[in-house]
This record gives sequence, C-alpha cells and structure tokens, in this order.
Amino acid sequence: GQQVMQIPQYQHVQEGEDFTTYCNSSTTLSNIQWYKQRPGGHPVFLIQLVKSGEVKKQKRLTFQFGEAKKNSSLHITATQTTDVGTYFCAGLGTDSWGKFQFGAGTQVVVTP
Amino acid sequence: DTGVSQNPRHKITKRGQNVTFRCDPISEHNRLYWYRQTLGQGPEFLTYFQNEAQLEKSRLLSDRFSAERPKGSFSTLEIQRTEQGDSAMYLCASSFSTSGGPSSYNEQFFGPGTRLTVL
Repeated sequence: GQQVMQIPQYQHVQEGEDFTTYCNSSTTLSNIQWYKQRPGGHPVFLIQLVKSGEVKKQKRLTFQFGEAKKNSSLHITATQTTDVGTYFCAGLGTDSWGKFQFGAGTQVVVTP
Repeated sequence: DTGVSQNPRHKITKRGQNVTFRCDPISEHNRLYWYRQTLGQGPEFLTYFQNEAQLEKSRLLSDRFSAERPKGSFSTLEIQRTEQGDSAMYLCASSFSTSGGPSSYNEQFFGPGTRLTVL
C-alpha cells in the first residue's frame, strides 16, 4: 500500500537560518497537502499541490511537488520562533477517494 | 464559533466498552474525514465521506470501528469492545468542493479532537 515518509524527524534550527523538510511517497500522488501542528493543537492547512513540478510560495515558505509526483519539499527561510511546530505532508494516491496518507512529520525546534 | 466541533473532548472508558464520538463539520462542507493520532505520529486515515456516502475507509473500519454520516451532516465514529491500543486522539476534518478531480479536495479544517483513554 501507499506509504508516505518524511525526513528529518526532528529539526533543530537557529533563529534566522534556513531549513528544508522532505516528503517521499512509495506511489505516485495526485495531490499533496502540507499542514502545521503546534503542540497541543490540531493540524492547520498550509498549502495544496497538484501539478507535476509545481512550486508555491507563502512569504518565507516555499513548497515544491516533484516532477514524478512522488515527493515534495517545504523550505523555510530565515526561521522565526513562530515556526515552531510539527510539519506534516499528506498525500493522496491516484486511485484513492479522499484517503490522505500523512507522514510522521518533522518536528521543528527553533533556538533564539 | 463556526469551526469543526467534536464531542466529547475527552473520554475515559474501560477495556471492552463501546464508545461513540460525534463530529459536526463546518456548515455546507460536503466532505468529512476521520483520523486518529498518537503521540509523535501523523494523523492516521480512518474514513472519508462525500455527503452521506462513505467512499473510502481503512482496514480498521472493517472490524470494531464503524462510522456513519446520516443525511450528510454530522458524523459519528463508534468503537466496539475497546482495547488499550485504541487510546489516541480522534480527529475529524471537513472540507468543501463543488467539483471532482485531485485539485478539488481543498483545505481540510480539523476539529479539536476527542482524546480517548482506555483503561
């Protein structure tokens, strides 16, 4: 079955630095969504990608969908303390009705 | 508050008991999802409804888990004969779409969850 893996599992970042988290699927995806979850909170939607090679930017966040639609990345520039949380990708298989498979997430800790 | 609501917020039960959770999605959202999440893991897909039709479900829902969405509005998730391994946060999410295809899924709005503890 479809599996979605995220690396790294943990990311310690100095405030002001950049970092990237990666999401890899064992099968081709038709849609990938990214969410952020703060400690004690619920996942909050960040972005959705559906086209091969698609790149979307939200201020300091850049999201990419791979050409083969099997991987995605989230790059954050000039990290701030407000970026603390766990970032999840959720992939939808090409033969699936709404079955989004979430990765285990990348937990981000920011050091001032 | 017009967000997704879930009840109860917390449930403590003894092993072997049945429990039922309720999710009220955002009004007019035609898509509804159930997930469960344990500490340090991402949400695990349980089932998906489009209006009142249950279109996708994990293998878990063929056993002790069942979900319904009568009339395409609120949804319930029932767990029969609970086990300690069922202890988790149960999340409901809803979204709205007027069309089909991969780009139609749109943002999922999550509720605060129901935390289940099985003793």
